[in-house]
Amino acid sequence: DAGITQSPRHKVTETGTPVTLRCHQTENHRYMYWYRQDPGHGLRLIHYSYGVKDTDKGEVSDGYSVSRSKTEDFLLTLESATSSQTSVYFCAISEAGENQPQHFGDGTRLSIL
Amino acid sequence: AQSVAQPEDQVNVAEGNPLTVKCTYSVSGNPYLFWYVQYPNRGLQFLLKYITGDNLVKGSYGFEAEFNKSQTSFHLKKPSALVSDSALYFCAVRRPRGNQFYFGTGTSLTVIP
Repeated sequence: DAGITQSPRHKVTETGTPVTLRCHQTENHRYMYWYRQDPGHGLRLIHYSYGVKDTDKGEVSDGYSVSRSKTEDFLLTLESATSSQTSVYFCAISEAGENQPQHFGDGTRLSIL
Repeated sequence: AQSVAQPEDQVNVAEGNPLTVKCTYSVSGNPYLFWYVQYPNRGLQFLLKYITGDNLVKGSYGFEAEFNKSQTSFHLKKPSALVSDSALYFCAVRRPRGNQFYFGTGTSLTVIP
C-alpha cells in the first residue's frame, strides 16, 4: 500500500469549531487531493495540490481551506464546522503524469454535532 | 460538464458466475479511465486503468475492463466472481492535461455464496 496516513481517523466536534485534518505521505508524490464521501454522491473533490504552496479548488470547496507547506503534508481546515460537513474525508496522492492513478488513505470519519 | 455514470447502485451475482459493473462517461477528449474498489472502512484501492491501445485491459485480482469508445463506456468484468469480491466499486476518469479525477457514485457488488 502507498504510504499515506490520515489523522485523526475519527473525530467528533461541535458546530462552529475549527477542525484540521492532516494527510501525510512518504511517497514524494507531486499531487495531493482531499475528497469527501457521502452516500449517493460518491467522491467529491474539495481541494487539490500540484506542488508545495500550489493548490486549487474542487467542486465542493466552500467552507474548506487547505495548505501545503511541505511535499509530504496536506492539511484540510474547516474554519467553522457545520453539520453539513459531517462526512468521511479521504486524502489521495498521485505521481506527476496524467495517466497515473490515485492512491488513497483510509479516511477520517468526521461528525459535527 | 465532465461526468461519470454508474447506472446500477447495486449488483448481485452468484459465486462462480461472471460479473459486470457498468460505467459510462461524458468527458471531452480522450480521457484516461480507472476502476477502484473500496472495502468497508478503507480507502479506495486502484484496480486497473485504460490509457490507450487494446480495448481490454487487465488488472488486479483477476478483474478486467472493456473500453468502448463509440459507447463511451468502460465496464468492469470478471469471469468468475468470488465472495471476497463483494465491495463498493468506483469508476473514475481524468481528462488529458487535467489535474482532476471525476468519480461515479459507486456500485455495491454482492457476491452470493
